[in-house]
Amino acid sequence: DVKVTQSSRYLVKRTGEKVFLECVQDMDHENMFWYRQDPGLGLRLIYFSYDVKMKEKGDIPEGYSVSREKKERFSLILESASTNQTSMYLCASSFPGQGSSSYNEQFFGPGTRLTVL
Amino acid sequence: RKEVEQDPGPFNVPEGATVAFNCTYSNSASQSFFWYRQDCRKEPKLLMSVYSSGNEDGRFTAQLNRASQYISLLIRDSKLSDSATYLCVVLGAGNMLTFGGGTRLMVKP
Repeated sequence: DVKVTQSSRYLVKRTGEKVFLECVQDMDHENMFWYRQDPGLGLRLIYFSYDVKMKEKGDIPEGYSVSREKKERFSLILESASTNQTSMYLCASSFPGQGSSSYNEQFFGPGTRLTVL
Repeated sequence: RKEVEQDPGPFNVPEGATVAFNCTYSNSASQSFFWYRQDCRKEPKLLMSVYSSGNEDGRFTAQLNRASQYISLLIRDSKLSDSATYLCVVLGAGNMLTFGGGTRLMVKP
């Protein structure tokens, strides 16, 4: 079974703190993704990575950065947490697609519920 | 206008009922379509892909109408265990997924 793990299920931080969210997958997937999920807004892509040391901005990258030093690990960093970053953060991984219309299933971690006070 | 729109529900149905969800998408160039299922306080998981010709997986039937840009999911003979949020997902440019806000289903005994 594919396993995607996230470092914390629940996290409480204060405004201005630097926050690290860690994600590890054990299936040798090339692709990794960070989403946030908010009621009524669905999942929104923050950043993604197709390979080690490679990163691309998603739809809402402002206030976030990422790091992919190893293939299995993708970290999301909040440089200076703000209250509007209170959310559920979901990491996902997949094999790469082959061509513009191909797709491989994304496997999600259990999520980290972050509260910024 | 959101790229992928769903009625948030909740849809409250009795066991054994048939229930259908629709989803509309705005980008006519979208390539592929999916339904994911998300249980309460859990991560989303792929339920099924949606093919142009329509496809069935047990009690679940998915259909795509490209002309009207909507996708549907039909669940027959609902079970208590079908209670979840169903996410409509569209694959667009660059192999990126766009998620709808989800439709919540509650199946009652």
